[in-house]
Amino acid sequence: DTGVSQDPRHKITKRGQNVTFRCDPISEHNRLYWYRQTLGQGPEFLTYFQNEAQLEKSRLLSDRFSAERPKGSFSTLEIQRTEQGDSAMYLCASSEHQETQYFGPGTRLLVL
Amino acid sequence: GDSVTQMEGPVTLSEEAFLTINCTYTATGYPSLFWYVQYPGEGLQLLLKATKADDKGSNKGFEATYRKETTSFHLEKGSVQVSDSAVYFCALSGSGSARQLTFGSGTQLTVLP
Repeated sequence: DTGVSQDPRHKITKRGQNVTFRCDPISEHNRLYWYRQTLGQGPEFLTYFQNEAQLEKSRLLSDRFSAERPKGSFSTLEIQRTEQGDSAMYLCASSEHQETQYFGPGTRLLVL
Repeated sequence: GDSVTQMEGPVTLSEEAFLTINCTYTATGYPSLFWYVQYPGEGLQLLLKATKADDKGSNKGFEATYRKETTSFHLEKGSVQVSDSAVYFCALSGSGSARQLTFGSGTQLTVLP
């Protein structure tokens, strides 16, 4: 068990470009979460999957954001037409049933 | 909605000093409470948790007690080390089926030798 992994660890993009991040949860964890963390703040919930079903989305998740978990294993988070305000750390977490969430190292996005 | 309020930082202590980081919460139902720690350039690591009133979570010399009457979950350590320097986040799990975490804004701790 290698823990939650995220790729890439860092991404620099220009405003208006699309970006996609990947999260590989701990194997057999059926719950997967995405959070966003801006500088000096705690993480904020974006969305939640149970297996392949996206069951909850925060109002923070604008229509430019989309997340998938096609086979109930890894997940992707795509941001279309990036804006400078999207610059943040994007964190993925997984858990088994309703137990403790384990976080990945995050993907740091910088939009120029 | 749910919210977590943490003691503002930064906090600077000398090695072997006593640490307290205050955390209070507002939530519906009976949330589980957590402390996570974030070292520079890394993701969040679970430090300790408590799932019901009067439970005490503990790990690596850190402790926190779930106080329902004061809606608090203060983090304490009797003797801090330089290696404890990090950002500490208090969090609660939501009462809905998603059980998503609501975090405080974090407290930066620096321990000087």
